[in-house]
Amino acid sequence: GQQVQQSPASLVLQEGENAELQCNFSTSLNSMQWFYQRPGGSLVSLFYNPSGTKHSGRLTSTTVIKERRSSLHISSSQTTDSGTYLCALVNNAGAKLTFGGGTRLTVRP
Amino acid sequence: EAAVTQSPRNKVAVTGGKVTLSCNQTNNHNNMYWYRQDTGHGLRLIHYSYGAGSTEKGDIPDGYKASRPSQENFSLILELATPSQTSVYFCASGDLRDNNQAPLFGEGTRLSVL
Repeated sequence: GQQVQQSPASLVLQEGENAELQCNFSTSLNSMQWFYQRPGGSLVSLFYNPSGTKHSGRLTSTTVIKERRSSLHISSSQTTDSGTYLCALVNNAGAKLTFGGGTRLTVRP
Repeated sequence: EAAVTQSPRNKVAVTGGKVTLSCNQTNNHNNMYWYRQDTGHGLRLIHYSYGAGSTEKGDIPDGYKASRPSQENFSLILELATPSQTSVYFCASGDLRDNNQAPLFGEGTRLSVL
């Protein structure tokens, strides 16, 4: 079965609204990463979060390993936040990333 | 500046033809990766490498070969391209065991097999 599942698959917000993106995993992991992908573009790392909570500007990532979940909170969304957000787990050997299917976010002005 | 460069950026190939996708990194990373991205599947790992001369099978290696002739270069080879291999391919480099270092991704190669 799929090891990493993200929800929702897509999300539409009005500018200024908050968003909560979820990532659930079904296997043991070394760490969890969140990436942002602009439409038609490459991936940019947002957080490398093995456990606990990390903040970066309007973004907050929280990983709870024993519950096998990680979340990404976006506050006061902006149109430039539009794109796809991907979570990926790093396996215990630290050898590879396994990605979820992504959440496609659209923020309307 | 650290970078991962892929070439070509776009490629149209014919069924049965040979395709080589190239990746170069200037980060001195040991590990390099090839992923493909398709709608509904996210990114899936094809092959990866721990260093020059090393290639490892990822989650979907069938129909692909990889070559790592040097620390900087990692190629993905489609010996007999099929339409099902139409996709966007991403190369990445990085040491995932280092919690202070995020992997770096290239800009992607859009491949169409007709």
